[in-house]
Amino acid sequence: SQKIEQNSEALNIQEGKTATLTCNYTNYSPAYLQWYRQDPGRGPVFLLLIRENEKEKRKERLKVTFDTTLKQSLFHITASQPADSATYLCALYNFNKFYFGSGTKLNVKP
Amino acid sequence: NAGVTQTPKFQVLKTGQSMTLQCAQDMNHEYMSWYRQDPGMGLRLIHYSVGAGITDQGEVPNGYNVSRSTTEDFPLRLLSAAPSQTSVYFCASAGHPNDYEQYFGPGTRLTVT
Repeated sequence: SQKIEQNSEALNIQEGKTATLTCNYTNYSPAYLQWYRQDPGRGPVFLLLIRENEKEKRKERLKVTFDTTLKQSLFHITASQPADSATYLCALYNFNKFYFGSGTKLNVKP
Repeated sequence: NAGVTQTPKFQVLKTGQSMTLQCAQDMNHEYMSWYRQDPGMGLRLIHYSVGAGITDQGEVPNGYNVSRSTTEDFPLRLLSAAPSQTSVYFCASAGHPNDYEQYFGPGTRLTVT
């Protein structure tokens, strides 16, 4: 089955800087890849989707890249704010199934 | 629009007991799914359904049953609870098959003693 790796160590950055989170996968390329935000005690919330034939997607301060050769997606938050502090999950979709990474916790310090 | 609702929020079971976790959505979504989330393991797919009357297994289906008799409801049944099933359970739904933005419920925290 698909294996997804996200950096398990928390990412600590200063307010205003760009946060970059990594999602690596093994095996076959997914039809598309998603990023979700999860706050403590809550369900994940969808942020962005990028398809296998797309290189980059943007939404406001968020940017996602997808490199099927490297089997990697990068998720960027520009001009980060303390309110961006949360755990970010990547998810891969293939054949009606979603496979989630374990998430990376982002701490944005004022 | 309530979105995805789950009941109960918390549950404590003894080993061997059975129970059903309820999930409902009011967005007329065809796709519904159940996940469990354990510390350091991320979300793992238990079962999913692409429409009423159709269900299939995910990564970790053992010990769980599902049914989908209506578009709105997708209950998850634990037939004989085990301590290894202690976890947080999330239900999710999604609409169009080419753009499966999943909407998650608030979760059920289950403890099996």
